[in-house]
Amino acid sequence: EVQLLESGGGLVQPGGSLRLSCAASGFIFSSYAMSWVRQAPGKGLEWVSAISGSGGSTYYADSVKGRFTISRDNSKNTLYLQMNSLRAEDTAVYYCATQMTTVTKVPYWGQGTLVTVSS
Amino acid sequence: DIQMTQSPSTLSASVGDRVTITCRASQSISFWLAWYQQKPGKAPKLLIYDASSLESGVPSRFSGSVSGTEFTLTISSLQPDDFATYYCQQYYSYPVTFGQGTKLEIK
Repeated sequence: EVQLLESGGGLVQPGGSLRLSCAASGFIFSSYAMSWVRQAPGKGLEWVSAISGSGGSTYYADSVKGRFTISRDNSKNTLYLQMNSLRAEDTAVYYCATQMTTVTKVPYWGQGTLVTVSS
Repeated sequence: DIQMTQSPSTLSASVGDRVTITCRASQSISFWLAWYQQKPGKAPKLLIYDASSLESGVPSRFSGSVSGTEFTLTISSLQPDDFATYYCQQYYSYPVTFGQGTKLEIK
């Protein structure tokens, strides 16, 4: 059974940092690009970042570029999102998901982890 | 960046109705578009990929089509379980972008 299990969310003050993790199982993790997608309370989906299967290529939304860093450890089947200089507008549920590409169409999503940025 | 303009933002319909949701890309994305369904408190669920390919296990009342840069999700006969929010997503190029969402409500 495929599982994506996010952790690391919580309450953080503006300007603070947080690292999200996503533990994957049930599929060949290193074969797939992975992404983080967030959803602010009552709002739509916003793609945040993606990383290739090897980890050699990374991509970011303009809204997080320079503040967030995506990485992966294929030996641990784990995806990460390091979030620095957090702002109130980063408050959202963060989902880990396989990234749809022109080559792979694998639709795995985690259950999400809530990040709240507030003083 | 590629903008995805989704319409309508809200749609009221009845069980048995045929409904259509549209997404327009700001530039050509070929057919690299997916449609998702999301229910409150849940992760999105893939319905359609590559504009018109039905994801395994998704009922055949869901279909997708494309004409140029305009993409359409059609539900042929609404069922009670279909009332949810729908999103399009382009994966032609990074940054990947979603449409704003369409909330499908019971009339």
